[in-house]
Amino acid sequence: SQTIHQWPATLVQPVGSPLSLECTVEGTSNPNLYWYRQAAGRGLQLLFYSVGIGQISSEVPQNLSASRPQDRQFILSSKKLLLSDSGFYLCAWRHRTTYEQYFGPGTRLTVT
Amino acid sequence: AQSVTQLDSQVPVFEEAPVELRCNYSSSVSVYLFWYVQYPNQGLQLLLKYLSGSTLVKGINGFEAEFNKSQTSFHLRKPSVHISDTAEYFCAVSDEPMNRDDKIIFGKGTRLHILP
Repeated sequence: SQTIHQWPATLVQPVGSPLSLECTVEGTSNPNLYWYRQAAGRGLQLLFYSVGIGQISSEVPQNLSASRPQDRQFILSSKKLLLSDSGFYLCAWRHRTTYEQYFGPGTRLTVT
Repeated sequence: AQSVTQLDSQVPVFEEAPVELRCNYSSSVSVYLFWYVQYPNQGLQLLLKYLSGSTLVKGINGFEAEFNKSQTSFHLRKPSVHISDTAEYFCAVSDEPMNRDDKIIFGKGTRLHILP
């Protein structure tokens, strides 16, 4: 069966520091991968998605970037965090022949 | 572009009472529809999905939803809620068929409060 991992689970970082969040999927190949941010009362905001290695689509201009160095690995990064980057970050995957998305456990990021 | 409207941001319900969480989508073309549940500090979990066939879809934890094409709605229902149903519920839609780079569009969520 498929499993999706995210780490770390929680993170407290000062403003201006770099960020790296990692997401990996097991048990499937060539998935679509997604990064979402969830801020209180604002639902899910799609940040990036990827249909293959090295292929990244950005949905919202921002302080963040994403990379997909391997088929089942998706990384969210920032060079300098802003206070507004605080939130709950969710990674998700979708197999090309199914239609639903499966979510990871999330990373709670607090920028101080 | 697709959009999803969840009409209620919060719904309080007494334990063992029925509940309906409302969802409307914008597209007039064929769609796939989903309901997800999110427990505190966790990721989203798929409750149920409508791809085709019967308009009444049954999911996990006793939830069901009915697809109504004429009203572009996909309301979620449960006949008797339990305290463990306290969570946030998200409705989502995507175009049919779903191409490789198609995205699922999520609503803003409805927080279900179960009152003792």
